[in-house]
Amino acid sequence: DAGITQSPRHKVTETGTPVTLRCHQTENHRYMYWYRQDPGHGLRLIHYSYGVKDTDKGEVSDGYSVSRSKTEDFLLTLESATSSQTSVYFCAITPRRGGESTGELFFGEGSRLTVL
Amino acid sequence: AQSVSQHNHHVILSEAASLELGCNYSYGGTVNLFWYVQYPGQHLQLLLKYFSGDPLVKGIKGFEAEFIKSKFSFNLRKPSVQWSDTAEYFCAVLLSGTYKYIFGTGTRLKVLA
Repeated sequence: DAGITQSPRHKVTETGTPVTLRCHQTENHRYMYWYRQDPGHGLRLIHYSYGVKDTDKGEVSDGYSVSRSKTEDFLLTLESATSSQTSVYFCAITPRRGGESTGELFFGEGSRLTVL
Repeated sequence: AQSVSQHNHHVILSEAASLELGCNYSYGGTVNLFWYVQYPGQHLQLLLKYFSGDPLVKGIKGFEAEFIKSKFSFNLRKPSVQWSDTAEYFCAVLLSGTYKYIFGTGTRLKVLA
């Protein structure tokens, strides 16, 4: 599992409340990603990070912010959750072997968020 | 905009049948290609990948895929499916020189015992 832990794994919240999802990795990977998975849409990139304090937007970044103050943690925040953000959120990393990126994505177990 | 198309959204097969799932991408530059599998209730796992070299790549669990550059395709195949192959399959493209992956919408495969 490349040492990726997502928390919480399940959350139910109400519209308008802030929500933060955490992705924690233990292997010093540089690149980290947040995706959301929805039926009929596959996986869509929300934000990604290429280092501490270095982040960039993906294709569905509206309504989301991220922070990466240390290598091991990549936080995804919904400032004011909406029902359209009900989804399964996956964190992913790109591991390196022998100093080179493998180019693959390894995914966490996912965080299921329901916004009522 | 770059995109990945998986034309088969749902596929139902009997055990021992052959499988081919289509994947086409729209991008004129160099790409790296992937197939991921997601078993029910689990996260995505890598099946196989193509970066360069032999366009026919073999992955885990007897899966293979062929990159046909002229057709912008990377179809997934398996000669004989098993019930345990029931899952959702995602094709993905990594644009060369970037760390942005683009996923297809997935194909749900159901294998009947």
